[in-house]
Amino acid sequence: AQSVSQHNHHVILSEAASLELGCNYSYGGTVNLFWYVQYPGQHLQLLLKYFSGDPLVKGIKGFEAEFIKSKFSFNLRKPSVQWSDTAEYFCAVRAGGYNKLIFGAGTRLAVHP
Amino acid sequence: DTEVTQTPKHLVRGMTNKKSLKCEQHMGHRAMYWYKQKAKKPPELMFVYSYEKLSINESVPSRFSPECPNSSLLNLHLHALQPEDSALYLCASSHTDRDNSPLHFGNGTRLTVT
Repeated sequence: AQSVSQHNHHVILSEAASLELGCNYSYGGTVNLFWYVQYPGQHLQLLLKYFSGDPLVKGIKGFEAEFIKSKFSFNLRKPSVQWSDTAEYFCAVRAGGYNKLIFGAGTRLAVHP
Repeated sequence: DTEVTQTPKHLVRGMTNKKSLKCEQHMGHRAMYWYKQKAKKPPELMFVYSYEKLSINESVPSRFSPECPNSSLLNLHLHALQPEDSALYLCASSHTDRDNSPLHFGNGTRLTVT
């Protein structure tokens, strides 16, 4: 069965620090990969997605992610975080024919001013 | 603001009460989803509807009964609830259930079973 692992459960950073959140998935076939963000009290929002092509994907709010097929990874990065990036971040994979997302456990990011 | 509207926002129910959660979208999406999210856990898929027909049921207990009256509405009928059913119930939609379109999520209904 497909699964998604997010290794960092809690991350605390100061503003302007660089961010990298790890995501690994288990599935041998073609996958679509997503990062969603959930700000406190708000709905899940799509940050970025990878379907095919350039493995470096740019999303909203300065986030980017790199798909490394050989490592089954899709890590999320941001060069300089802001206090407003405080949220929970979920990596998700869609494998197979159906639009069925499998989410990772999530990473809670706290950015201190 | 999300384009997927869920009502109510909060719900407190005793174990014998019946209630329905409602979800609405007007984006013309033909796939709709119910997810359950326990505290500090990721969302877990419950049901998928495609063109108003149930296409996926992830072995959800029968006390949860989904309904899709039309392409814009998705309900989740609840009865004989258990304390472990307390969670955030998320509705989502996408263009179809087979393409690469991303899911759009609602704000969720927070259910507390007493």
